[in-house]
Amino acid sequence: DTEVTQTPKHLVMGMTNKKSLKCEQHMGHRAMYWYKQKAKKPPELMFVYSYEKLSINESVPSRFSPECPNSSLLNLHLHALQPEDSALYLCASNLGTGGASGELFFGEGSRLTVL
Amino acid sequence: EDQVTQSPEALRLQEGESSSLNCSYTVSGLRGLFWYRQDPGKGPEFLFTLYSAGEEKEKERLKATLTKKESFLHITAPKPEDSATYLCAVKTSYDKVIFGPGTSLSVIP
Repeated sequence: DTEVTQTPKHLVMGMTNKKSLKCEQHMGHRAMYWYKQKAKKPPELMFVYSYEKLSINESVPSRFSPECPNSSLLNLHLHALQPEDSALYLCASNLGTGGASGELFFGEGSRLTVL
Repeated sequence: EDQVTQSPEALRLQEGESSSLNCSYTVSGLRGLFWYRQDPGKGPEFLFTLYSAGEEKEKERLKATLTKKESFLHITAPKPEDSATYLCAVKTSYDKVIFGPGTSLSVIP
């Protein structure tokens, strides 16, 4: 069982809806990540939070808004999405972004469908 | 530009038929190379970390090796339950973790 928990597992939303994806970890990790994965493609980095501060934003459209309320929680707020945003959204965490630490621990993902 | 490629794109093996998967990378300052396994509809599962050329790691039927420009994931006597997509990822000097496109492995009983 993964120690990174994502909710909901599945989400269907219209283009005018506002929804949020949630991620929680209790491993004491200080870096948390959002990745987007389309079918048969590798995960693509969206955002990185290090010590609760946004450290990397891969030029993601503003209709995706990340939030890190504390070191254990990571949210991704969704608004006015497009059908092409339908994908598996993966949350991951690790010890930190500094040094050589790198192995990421992933959640099971949230499957998003935009109608 | 930082880049990770993997070959082959897909691989079908008979049960017990050993083979290797390749990961080639071009990055600005490698801070680590990682192998993950991903089952359909699931998040990637961490397998190995390699930091320097010549390093090797083993886990059950899997063995990962690293050179200055590429890594190999050797699978010895695979079983059907080894069927999955195997992803290679690198951490750059900018603290980004970039994934390769993956190799889809099918092991036929």
